[in-house]
Amino acid sequence: DAKTTQPNSMESNEEEPVHLPCNHSTISGTDYIHWYRQLPSQGPEYVIHGLTSNVNNRMASLAIAEDRKSSTLILHRATLRDAAVYYCILRDRGVGNQFYFGTGTSLTVIP
Amino acid sequence: SQTIHQWPATLVQPVGSPLSLECTVEGTSNPNLYWYRQAAGRGLQLLFYSVGIGQISSEVPQNLSASRPQDRQFILSSKKLLLSDSGFYLCAWRPGQLSYGYTFGSGTRLTVV
Repeated sequence: DAKTTQPNSMESNEEEPVHLPCNHSTISGTDYIHWYRQLPSQGPEYVIHGLTSNVNNRMASLAIAEDRKSSTLILHRATLRDAAVYYCILRDRGVGNQFYFGTGTSLTVIP
Repeated sequence: SQTIHQWPATLVQPVGSPLSLECTVEGTSNPNLYWYRQAAGRGLQLLFYSVGIGQISSEVPQNLSASRPQDRQFILSSKKLLLSDSGFYLCAWRPGQLSYGYTFGSGTRLTVV
């Protein structure tokens, strides 16, 4: 499985944008890039996913490098509720392929 | 709409006792089902997944087993718990299709004493 590399932790001030990076230099052409986040004592929740083009939804934006070897999750205005561990995961679009989570980036939002 | 139920929320069990955690999904059919474990301060480890009734794939050799007796029911079991089985257990499901993401349950925090 293609692996991802994320910083262990990041900090952001409340109401400022946050850019969470992810490196995936061994990504294959059929791997989708997924982002999940996990709030304390909860299961992970879906944030966003994409293949080649940048994606936007109500939670965040996903910027994918042209060579697809890296991506960035963008939270436009961090709130205290965004404090969580953010996971960047690659998953082949084949039906039998699973999600393998790394240790993610722990985001601290400073009031 | 689809929902996933996982219980109990917390569990304290003595070493050597059996374990049974249950997960059910409503509002869908033939889901792919997963069990993950998260040890304290660690990432999520995939334990088992199932693409259909009676079909179980194990990712990591261990003291645990899984079963899928019905389409939307996934059970995690152990005959004799070890201290190292402590952790946060999460069940998840996704449609058996291409790039759809996972939906996770609320988790069971297991402490083996």
